[in-house]
Amino acid sequence: DTEVTQTPKHLVMGMTNKKSLKCEQHMGHRAMYWYKQKAKKPPELMFVYSYEKLSINESVPSRFSPECPNSSLLNLHLHALQPEDSALYLCASSQLQGFSSPLHFGNGTRLTVT
Amino acid sequence: DQQVKQNSPSLSVQEGRISILNCDYTNSMFDYFLWYKKYPAEGPTFLISISSIKDKNEDGRFTVFLNKSAKHLSLHIVPSQPGDSAVYFCAASENSGGSNYKLTFGKGTLLTVNP
Repeated sequence: DTEVTQTPKHLVMGMTNKKSLKCEQHMGHRAMYWYKQKAKKPPELMFVYSYEKLSINESVPSRFSPECPNSSLLNLHLHALQPEDSALYLCASSQLQGFSSPLHFGNGTRLTVT
Repeated sequence: DQQVKQNSPSLSVQEGRISILNCDYTNSMFDYFLWYKKYPAEGPTFLISISSIKDKNEDGRFTVFLNKSAKHLSLHIVPSQPGDSAVYFCAASENSGGSNYKLTFGKGTLLTVNP
């Protein structure tokens, strides 16, 4: 079982919908990440939060809005998405003791935009 | 521009033999390298890592070798088991300062271990 829990596992939404992806970890990690993975492609970084503050935004369109309410939770709010945004969205967390701590990934949310 | 390259999309080996997965990188600032394993419908799982100050790291059946001059690393699995069948991602990071930690992934290699 993964220690990073993502909900929902699957999501289908229309281009005018507003939805949210949720991620939770209880390992005491202080860094949390959103990655996007398209079929047969590597995961691509979207956002990094460190100590609940946004530290990296990889030029992600504003229709994706991250939120970190506390050290255990990470949300990704979705609005006015496009069909090409359909992908597997992966949440991850890591400790902040230097850069050499591996990321722990959740199982992802499979998003389909119709 | 792909900074982490896994040039073999797939690899097939017999159970009990050695699996060797290769990875090349172009960014000389990378100083920490990781291998992740991914089963279908699951997120990537951390497998093993190596710092750029080392050339080898071993954990049970898994060994990662790093050749900095060639900008090349490899993952050896011996003996290979059918349960090792998965997609293996090579990843690299550079210390971008402070708490920022950005991983760059390769495209992955699908390993199939045949009984």
